[in-house]
Amino acid sequence: NAGVTQTPKFQVLKTGQSMTLQCAQDMNHNSMYWYRQDPGMGLRLIYYSASEGTTDKGEVPNGYNVSRLNKREFSLRLESAAPSQTSVYFCASSERTGGNQPQHFGDGTRLSIL
Amino acid sequence: GENVEQHPSTLSVQEGDSAVIKCTYSDSASNYFPWYKQELGKGPQLIIDIRSNVGEKKDQRIAVTLNKTAKHFSLHITETQPEDSAVYFCAAPYGGTYKYIFGTGTRLKVLA
Repeated sequence: NAGVTQTPKFQVLKTGQSMTLQCAQDMNHNSMYWYRQDPGMGLRLIYYSASEGTTDKGEVPNGYNVSRLNKREFSLRLESAAPSQTSVYFCASSERTGGNQPQHFGDGTRLSIL
Repeated sequence: GENVEQHPSTLSVQEGDSAVIKCTYSDSASNYFPWYKQELGKGPQLIIDIRSNVGEKKDQRIAVTLNKTAKHFSLHITETQPEDSAVYFCAAPYGGTYKYIFGTGTRLKVLA
């Protein structure tokens, strides 16, 4: 059971470069999320997709774009990377929308921007 | 704005002792409260959750209690073992939606 799979696991970029983080889930979930995790700040929501074909901004969307490619896949793009975007990025999914749905997380992408 | 406060930020206990982590939330509409365990290099994993229509839920050595009046919920781990060492996060829905606000995490160390 793969659950939520994120690629790559590690990446180093130079300021100004672009990159797409990939996420796929095999649980037939409708909703998917992107978070960033910084020391001492917990997890903060960047973007989410309530269902295939829809995306919405979360708490910290500036500098990012997303694409819900199909029901399984949700990608996060950094168009022009900045050092402030150095973080660990987590993708998550839940069965459906609603405030009582558990979210299932991937193991993260560790991104460093020099 | 909406907020979830989590305490303590670090906790060290002797193996076999109990550990308690507390979270306070601000949105009275929140009705679901999950707890996640994050091991080094891994993503958060759901370990237990509680819905607002119950006050306590247990799963073996782990329990969660909820006080809706006071807007706080707690994670209790009994008979701690070295493998319980990890970072634990609480969360609460934001504005009655499915967007979560996470606490800032508690690093638990179980000393053998």
